[in-house]
Amino acid sequence: EAGVAQSPRYKIIEKRQSVAFWCNPISGHATLYWYQQILGQGPKLLIQFQNNGVVDDSQLPKDRFSAERLKGVDSTLKIQPAKLEDSAVYLCASSARHGTQFFGPGTRLTVL
Amino acid sequence: KNEVEQSPQNLTAQEGEFITINCSYSVGISALHWLQQHPGGGIVSLFMLSSGKKKHGRLIATINIQEKHSSLHITASHPRDSAVYICAGVGGGADGLTFGKGTHLIIQP
Repeated sequence: EAGVAQSPRYKIIEKRQSVAFWCNPISGHATLYWYQQILGQGPKLLIQFQNNGVVDDSQLPKDRFSAERLKGVDSTLKIQPAKLEDSAVYLCASSARHGTQFFGPGTRLTVL
Repeated sequence: KNEVEQSPQNLTAQEGEFITINCSYSVGISALHWLQQHPGGGIVSLFMLSSGKKKHGRLIATINIQEKHSSLHITASHPRDSAVYICAGVGGGADGLTFGKGTHLIIQP
């Protein structure tokens, strides 16, 4: 069974630029999560989708972050414009309803 | 607001030792995950539990609902067990995890 796929694996941008990350969850998983993990800290939930609807985006900085899952499968997380403090690993995870979450390898973002 | 506290933050032990990592969580959390993260690697889910005890190989996870406390044990530890172990709680309706800060475990040969 293929795992959660993410791309790119690494991205370096300058502050005020825009960036987008892509996630392809495990086939059949209705729930998709985006987490932000700043170096030395535990991950923090940014947004949770159930199919193509948002369940929880209370910790998403909506002035600069956006995410979508238009067809209820793949998802894109965008940052526009990026700030230095956005440097982190962005993790995507998916699960069957109320099940174990399976994590992707993450995208390491460096903002200069 | 859901909260998860983990201890210890860092743990160094010798190969073969029995390892225990502890996790306390707040009232709103209904289930707990134990996760493993290797340096530069992704996160792997080890256990999800809401009651009792689960075992997989040399790993054992227990949870005490009344005391809102969970432990992860590693028997006969090995250098390849070196990683960050994270407990994370879920609750309050949505399934997004609230993570502890992690325990950085190093097993020396």
